[in-house]
Amino acid sequence: NAGVTQTPKFQVLKTGQSMTLQCAQDMNHNSMYWYRQDPGMGLRLIYYSASEGTTDKGEVPNGYNVSRLNKREFSLRLESAAPSQTSVYFCASRGSGTGSTDTQYFGPGTRLTVL
Amino acid sequence: AQSVTQLDSHVSVSEGTPVLLRCNYSSSYSPSLFWYVQHPNKGLQLLLKYTSAATLVKGINGFEAEFKKSETSFHLTKPSAHMSDAAEYFCVVSVPSGTYKYIFGTGTRLKVLA
Repeated sequence: NAGVTQTPKFQVLKTGQSMTLQCAQDMNHNSMYWYRQDPGMGLRLIYYSASEGTTDKGEVPNGYNVSRLNKREFSLRLESAAPSQTSVYFCASRGSGTGSTDTQYFGPGTRLTVL
Repeated sequence: AQSVTQLDSHVSVSEGTPVLLRCNYSSSYSPSLFWYVQHPNKGLQLLLKYTSAATLVKGINGFEAEFKKSETSFHLTKPSAHMSDAAEYFCVVSVPSGTYKYIFGTGTRLKVLA
């Protein structure tokens, strides 16, 4: 049981390049999330997926797209990377119980630098 | 609307002394509150969570937090700091909508001095 996995761990891009960050969970969770972490700002939600086949914008969606490929996988795509997207990206998943008590489980993160 | 304020961006304590990391929240609903820890270059690990069952919540590694509705606070404490506690700590409130999104505080970096 690996929990939430993310690839790659590190990436350096040039401005204008594109890339896809991959996330997978093996906990049979319905909901998945993408966050970015910047110094002094905590984590901010980029996109989330409440269930397979659905995605919604979070707090900072501009410049990103997502795909919920199946129940296990949720990818984040940067179509034309910009230096402002230099950040650490975290994927998380959450179980399918009722109430707001369900815990989110986080992956190890992807450190992205855009030059 | 929900929000979280971590009152200190940096806290320094000596090894063996108590730790207090402060968190205030704002919520229109009965909140679910969490503390996560992030060690350098690592992901986020759940320390503890409040889900209205008990106001004093015990977590891993000797941490605990007390939910005080009258003060809208959820401060994290530990009686005796260890060098391994040096990390960044995040207070989180869960938004009670269908997707249960998290609202993060800006984090408190804990430094433990030998």
